[in-house]
Amino acid sequence: EAGVTQFPSHSVIEKGQTVTLRCDPISGHDNLYWYRRVMGKEIKFLLHFVKESKQDESGMPNNRFLAERTGGTYSTLKVQPAELEDSGVYFCASSRQGAYGYTFGSGTRLTVV
Amino acid sequence: GDSVTQMEGPVTLSEEAFLTINCTYTATGYPSLFWYVQYPGEGLQLLLKATKADDKGSNKGFEATYRKETTSFHLEKGSVQVSDSAVYFCALGGFKTIFGAGTRLFVKA
Repeated sequence: EAGVTQFPSHSVIEKGQTVTLRCDPISGHDNLYWYRRVMGKEIKFLLHFVKESKQDESGMPNNRFLAERTGGTYSTLKVQPAELEDSGVYFCASSRQGAYGYTFGSGTRLTVV
Repeated sequence: GDSVTQMEGPVTLSEEAFLTINCTYTATGYPSLFWYVQYPGEGLQLLLKATKADDKGSNKGFEATYRKETTSFHLEKGSVQVSDSAVYFCALGGFKTIFGAGTRLFVKA
């Protein structure tokens, strides 16, 4: 089966600009997650979708971040406007309903300059 | 709240050396425990997992035992290879996984 796909793999934007990250989960995986790793620190949870519904968005840092999962398939994570501290690697992961242990994508490395 | 602490890196070993990466956790209840690995230029991969106390997860020569009494889940491998060079993350939980900071391993030929 195809893995979790993230696009783009790298993005460099200026402070104040908008960036949209995309994640295509494994087909049939109801659970989709976003995580990020900032400056070599812990990988932090951002949010969790079950199908198209936000199950838990307690990790979203502020209202500059907006995640969507229309139709319960792919998901987007928009940062608007981007700030310097948003730089890091954003990971997407998916799992079947009730499964433990995710399948991760390769991540999007975001650099805000 | 729940947390994971793992040894700081980087860890540098010669090929065929024994590897231990320490991981301890704080959690309410009985979470599942995981080790993930990130090879250079790739995404995170699940390396092994244990779902209850005294379970041993194993994969690719790596092992870790879920020790409830010491709240630990140390990663071990008897003989590392250059290809094991990567960043290793200890993690706990399920739907909302909590990760440690990662330990970078360098294996020299």
